[in-house]
Amino acid sequence: GAVVSQHPSRVICKSGTSVKIECRSLDFQATTMFWYRQFPKQSLMLMATSNEGSKATYEQGVEKDKFLINHASLTLSTLTVTSAHPEDSSFYICSATIVSYNEQFFGPGTRLTVL
Amino acid sequence: GNSVTQMEGPVTLSEEAFLTINCTYTATGYPSLFWYVQYPGEGLQLLLKATKADDKGSNKGFEATYRKETTSFHLEKGSVQVSDSAVYFCALIETSGSRLTFGEGTQLTVNP
Repeated sequence: GAVVSQHPSRVICKSGTSVKIECRSLDFQATTMFWYRQFPKQSLMLMATSNEGSKATYEQGVEKDKFLINHASLTLSTLTVTSAHPEDSSFYICSATIVSYNEQFFGPGTRLTVL
Repeated sequence: GNSVTQMEGPVTLSEEAFLTINCTYTATGYPSLFWYVQYPGEGLQLLLKATKADDKGSNKGFEATYRKETTSFHLEKGSVQVSDSAVYFCALIETSGSRLTFGEGTQLTVNP
């Protein structure tokens, strides 16, 4: 149980385009989802916390107009990178949890490359 | 605020060697502690966890004991394999449903 999927697993796009990444909890209802960014050989950096039906809470330094997060249902959150540029190239990972549970379940990650 | 400090890597060992990756933490309350493993190009997998002092988490030959007196959660394995080569992250959660605080990660390479 507690499986989280991400789609797509890999995406290459041109500079200036927008890219949407989906995060789904497959066998449980996630009250909270988290979006992370990981640069090569570094730890995960929390970008935002997303609760179903409410606005995401962004970490300091993360542009909310650049990284749009929608958590429309208890099983789906999306991250849209708007007007992507090469510096947005990174590995994006989501995780999901239930409010009463002290563990996060991670998706497999999405490799974004902006040309 | 909360923080997690891991030993600096990378760590390179020969197969069947003993592994220790140190992890210490700072937290205001009583956190739950985790070790995650990340294989190249993949997301994070939970390796083991402990939710209270003196708990021992174990999985796949790896162990870690929650030491409140030393605020530590060191990862150990008695005999590593080449397939254990990965990045290991120590992490904590202070409150259910809240954010994870990660350490910097330790790259482990096991040579045959």
